[in-house]
Amino acid sequence: EAGVTQFPSHSVIEKGQTVTLRCDPISGHDNLYWYRRVMGKEIKFLLHFVKESKQDESGMPNNRFLAERTGGTYSTLKVQPAELEDSGVYFCASSPNSGASSTDTQYFGPGTRLTVL
Amino acid sequence: LAKTTQPISMDSYEGQEVNITCSHNNIATNDYITWYQQFPSQGPRFIIQGYKTKVTNEVASLFIPADRKSSTLSLPRVSLSDTAVYYCLVGFFNQAGTALIFGKGTTLSVSS
Repeated sequence: EAGVTQFPSHSVIEKGQTVTLRCDPISGHDNLYWYRRVMGKEIKFLLHFVKESKQDESGMPNNRFLAERTGGTYSTLKVQPAELEDSGVYFCASSPNSGASSTDTQYFGPGTRLTVL
Repeated sequence: LAKTTQPISMDSYEGQEVNITCSHNNIATNDYITWYQQFPSQGPRFIIQGYKTKVTNEVASLFIPADRKSSTLSLPRVSLSDTAVYYCLVGFFNQAGTALIFGKGTTLSVSS
């Protein structure tokens, strides 16, 4: 079974440009999460999709970030326009709808390293 | 999710048993304790989860005392490849999905 994949693995852009990150969750997983770690900080939650719906986007830093999950499969995270402080590693994770509490194991992708110059 | 406290770093030699303790004084009745492992340049990976007493799998053991205010992740006979950051998370993970809240984790360095 393929794991969570993310593309690209690394992106270097200039301030003001637009970047789109993609996440392909494990097939059949309803839950999809975006997290990020900026330099020297902890991994922080950004948002959570259940299928194509945004369940929780309380972690999105501002309106320069737009996440979509059309059709409930892969997801994209667009940053427009990118700022210097957006540099960091963006992780995607997915989990099945287990139908039971407590065992929401999340499977993480390798992350996309974003560098804004 | 409950606040957790764990060591910032630990060093070990190959073949030793490593125990990482996490404090979670404000754990709620329904909360579970989950540990994730993260290797450099990779995303976190689920290791083990438990509610009380002891849980063991092929990777690690998790010891939880009766008061559940702390837990200990035990890695038997570590190898160089166990060098990673280990995160302790405490919370109730409902079926609608739950955002994970990561602390700084414990950086384990294993040397030969």
